[in-house]
Amino acid sequence: SQTIHQWPATLVQPVGSPLSLECTVEGTSNPNLYWYRQAAGRGLQLLFYSVGIGQISSEVPQNLSASRPQDRQFILSSKKLLLSDSGFYLCAWSGIGPLHFGNGTRLTVT
Amino acid sequence: AQRVTQPEKLLSVFKGAPVELKCNYSYSGSPELFWYVQYSRQRLQLLLRHISRESIKGFTADLNKGETSFHLKKPFAQEEDSAMYYCALALNSGNTPLVFGKGTRLSVIA
Repeated sequence: SQTIHQWPATLVQPVGSPLSLECTVEGTSNPNLYWYRQAAGRGLQLLFYSVGIGQISSEVPQNLSASRPQDRQFILSSKKLLLSDSGFYLCAWSGIGPLHFGNGTRLTVT
Repeated sequence: AQRVTQPEKLLSVFKGAPVELKCNYSYSGSPELFWYVQYSRQRLQLLLRHISRESIKGFTADLNKGETSFHLKKPFAQEEDSAMYYCALALNSGNTPLVFGKGTRLSVIA
């Protein structure tokens, strides 16, 4: 069966520091991969999605970037974090069917 | 632009009472609608999708294209239904990602 792993679960970083969140999927090949942010009172916001290695679509311009170095690996990065980057980040994958979400990463930028 | 609106941030009902979580969407094409649920300390997961026309955990949702709505209903609420519910829209099956509403927190009171 397919599983999705996302880490770390929580992260506290100072303003201006870099960020790297990692997500991997097992049990499927060539999945569609997504990064969402869940901010209080604002629901789920799609940040990036990828339909294949090296193919990244950005939905919202911001201080973040994404990369897909391998088929089942999706990384969310930032060179310099802002206070407004705080939130709950969710990785998800899909095939032909609906989305399957990871457990999420709670990021607090101080 | 595509949009999903969930007008209620919080909905509180008594156990055994009927529940209706509202969802309206904005999309000129042929939509696919979903309900996702997040129980306390669990990951976000699919509850049901309109194309399946099935009842999951006693919940049903009917797509009303005339009213552009996809309200989630259950005749008798249970305490274990307390959770965060998200309505989501996909523009077509396959690679196009979902647009989520801001979510409604359902609280079922004993």
